[in-house]
Amino acid sequence: NAGVTQTPKFQVLKTGQSMTLQCAQDMNHEYMSWYRQDPGMGLRLIHYSVGAGITDQGEVPNGYNVSRSTTEDFPLRLLSAAPSQTSVYFCASSRAGSSYNSPLHFGNGTRLTVT
Amino acid sequence: AQTVTQSQPEMSVQEAETVTLSCTYDTSESDYYLFWYKQPPSRQMILVIRQEAYKQQNATENRFSVNFQKAAKSFSLKISDSQLGDAAMYFCASSGTYKYIFGTGTRLKVLA
Repeated sequence: NAGVTQTPKFQVLKTGQSMTLQCAQDMNHEYMSWYRQDPGMGLRLIHYSVGAGITDQGEVPNGYNVSRSTTEDFPLRLLSAAPSQTSVYFCASSRAGSSYNSPLHFGNGTRLTVT
Repeated sequence: AQTVTQSQPEMSVQEAETVTLSCTYDTSESDYYLFWYKQPPSRQMILVIRQEAYKQQNATENRFSVNFQKAAKSFSLKISDSQLGDAAMYFCASSGTYKYIFGTGTRLKVLA
């Protein structure tokens, strides 16, 4: 039972490079989201999706793109990495109903360092 | 807009004692849910307890319980009989339409 799978676990980028963080879930969850975790800032919502073909911005969307072509996958793209994007990134999903009472299921996170 | 505030960056508790972690929230949603998550050093996010806002009864899960004060928008977590394995970051979160919003976390240290 895989749950939410994130790859890679660690990544080092140079300023200006691009990359995609992968996220896949096998629980048929409608809702998927990306967070970044920084010391003293908690988890901040970057982007979220309520179903295939539907995405929207969270609290800190600048510098990140997402797409949701299938229910299972929700990749996060950094088009031109900046040192300010050094962080731990979490993907999370839930069996969202109309009132979002389902808890989030998290991946194990990706530690990204931009030099 | 939803906001979640955890005003205690760090707390300490003696093993076997009781500790309470504070959380306040604000939301314009009429229907919402509240959660506490634990993050041990492994970085994994683990659901501790969940509270439906329309229920007055406080949720309980073994040694973990909440004190939910809806009018005050307060949602504190009580850990009884603290164990060394309870040492972790604890995050309070609220969910409403389309979004789950987290607080900044409280680091709990358990002293032997």
